[in-house]
Amino acid sequence: DVKVTQSSRYLVKRTGEKVFLECVQDMDHENMFWYRQDPGLGLRLIYFSYDVKMKEKGDIPEGYSVSREKKERFSLILESASTNQTSMYLCASSLIGQGVGELFFGEGSRLTVL
Amino acid sequence: QQQVKQSPQSLIVQKGGIPIINCAYENTAFDYFPWYQQFPGKGPALLIAIRPDVSEKKEGRFTISFNKSAKQFSLHIMDSQPGDSATYFCAARNGSNYQLIWGAGTKLIIKP
Repeated sequence: DVKVTQSSRYLVKRTGEKVFLECVQDMDHENMFWYRQDPGLGLRLIYFSYDVKMKEKGDIPEGYSVSREKKERFSLILESASTNQTSMYLCASSLIGQGVGELFFGEGSRLTVL
Repeated sequence: QQQVKQSPQSLIVQKGGIPIINCAYENTAFDYFPWYQQFPGKGPALLIAIRPDVSEKKEGRFTISFNKSAKQFSLHIMDSQPGDSATYFCAARNGSNYQLIWGAGTKLIIKP
């Protein structure tokens, strides 16, 4: 069964803490994505990566960074968490090119920043 | 021009009814229109998708209707069931850069 696994389902952090969200996919997909989901705002793209060590900014990259050292792993980093980063974070993967359109999502990481 | 506008934001339908969710776009470079279904506590999953050279696609009880001239597409759920209660997202893929643009989502509740 193909899978995208997000290591933490629920996290509670304090303002100013550094936060790491990890995502691993087992489908050998080239593309990986980090989205943020907030009620009424849908899915907003933070960063994506189309290859190892490659990254592209999405629509809302401010306050976030990413790392992709291996094809199967894509990490989202909040250098200094703030309360407005309280949200559901979704990782996804897809094949490259025309494969974008069918994204495979993890179950999400719900982050609360106090 | 990169937006996909989805409506309604929420929808309540009785079991057996036909909920309809609508999406509209402007960018003619969009070449693929998927719908995703998301249950509480889960990530979205691809439900059904259509290309713009087709006006309708059915998969089981789910149908996409596509109107290329109006730049609109919609999801219909026939004989809706309480198990269809979920959030539904439409999306559109830009054929120039392969970016996926998302609608804001519709929270659907099917009452027993």
